[in-house]
Amino acid sequence: KNEVEQSPQNLTAQEGEFITINCSYSVGISALHWLQQHPGGGIVSLFMLSSGKKKHGRLIATINIQEKHSSLHITASHPRDSAVYICALIARGTSGSRLTFGEGTQLTVNP
Amino acid sequence: GAVVSQHPSWVICKSGTSVKIECRSLDFQATTMFWYRQFPKQSLMLMATSNEGSKATYEQGVEKDKFLINHASLTLSTLTVTSAHPEDSSFYICSAPALAIYEQYFGPGTRLTVT
Repeated sequence: KNEVEQSPQNLTAQEGEFITINCSYSVGISALHWLQQHPGGGIVSLFMLSSGKKKHGRLIATINIQEKHSSLHITASHPRDSAVYICALIARGTSGSRLTFGEGTQLTVNP
Repeated sequence: GAVVSQHPSWVICKSGTSVKIECRSLDFQATTMFWYRQFPKQSLMLMATSNEGSKATYEQGVEKDKFLINHASLTLSTLTVTSAHPEDSSFYICSAPALAIYEQYFGPGTRLTVT
């Protein structure tokens, strides 16, 4: 079993829909990242969380440390949100900022 | 925000040759950089941690003699794929921790094709 499990693996939505991507993990963490990878391959860090909730524009990320679970929400989805979303964590006790990655969720938003 | 660059963005080489990929932190110093490999439809796999002034730390199963890492300065790490084979064809990405604790910045990646 992977330390980081994401669901769903693939998600297709219509423009305007509310989207949720889930991430469950099995280890204690120092921080959790939500990353976005576009078709060209470049990766952008959307959020870094260690507790609670963060919001940036149409994106919301939440984390429940006790339940070892995080969610990424996209409100009013748009075709330009189509990308792979990756949950990555820094396990507690890990040296430096070494990340452990989930398998990613391929999101396709159709117009 | 902080920027990490990679060069080249793509490269095609013949089997048996060596290829060098550069990773630079453009506006901050990075004593540590991470190198990842990503195969199609798969997530990133950490290959090694590059440490300025000391030897790189390789993940289990990664051949250190095949994937040479040199952290030449506080802003530059290089990954050299030696004696490349077609199975080394992949997307290679670097990242560097930022000043803010646990933050990281990713390079745009290098797509390597070995023919």
